Amino acid sequence: QKEVEQNSGPLSVPEGAIASLNCTYSDRGSQSFFWYRQYSGKSPELIMFIYSNGDKEDGRFTAQLNKASQYVSLLIRDSQPSDSATYLCAVTYNFNKFYFGSGTKLNVKP
Amino acid sequence: GAGVSQSPRYKVTKRGQDVALRCDPISGHVSLYWYRQALGQGPEFLTYFNYEAQQDKSGLPNDRFSAERPEGSISTLTIQRTEQRDSAMYRCASSLGARGSSYNEQFFGPGTRLTVL
Repeated sequence: QKEVEQNSGPLSVPEGAIASLNCTYSDRGSQSFFWYRQYSGKSPELIMFIYSNGDKEDGRFTAQLNKASQYVSLLIRDSQPSDSATYLCAVTYNFNKFYFGSGTKLNVKP
Repeated sequence: GAGVSQSPRYKVTKRGQDVALRCDPISGHVSLYWYRQALGQGPEFLTYFNYEAQQDKSGLPNDRFSAERPEGSISTLTIQRTEQRDSAMYRCASSLGARGSSYNEQFFGPGTRLTVL
């Protein structure tokens, strides 16, 4: 079992719709959770982090964390073609070691 | 430069040769991470430095892999006796790692594409 699981996709949504990306993790001791975006051929870049149960909003992005279910998600509202990328979920216990999922590829169709 | 830099960007080597991959983190960043990323996969943790101290090397696949950061800035990942299975993108990331901070944003470098023939 992988530490972090993500559906590889691709997830296709029309422009303006809400994209929902999901991630589950196996280590109950995980403390902090991150969403990265990676465009094809580029390096990952941080979108959001969350470490408390509930929702955290930042512009069009909302991260949701449920530690009891070991589940973290990312919602992208008003999806744009420029949001088309691979979204990586990462978790850590102590910031010494990070586990990344294999990523979900998102396609936003104009 | 403002970002993390890595060199070389591309490295082609023959099986059995040693390679050294360099990472120059953002100035002032205390924490430095090495990852390996296969095509279509997420980054796989290799090792972590806090200043010059290698705090976690549990992700290094075997003893052919080693890393150092002697002065707490530039880091080198060395792969000895390379094998074809070592072919991948090797990425370095750095973060402020300020003591007491509740999170540390990792800034990734452009990576070194290693191809072992």
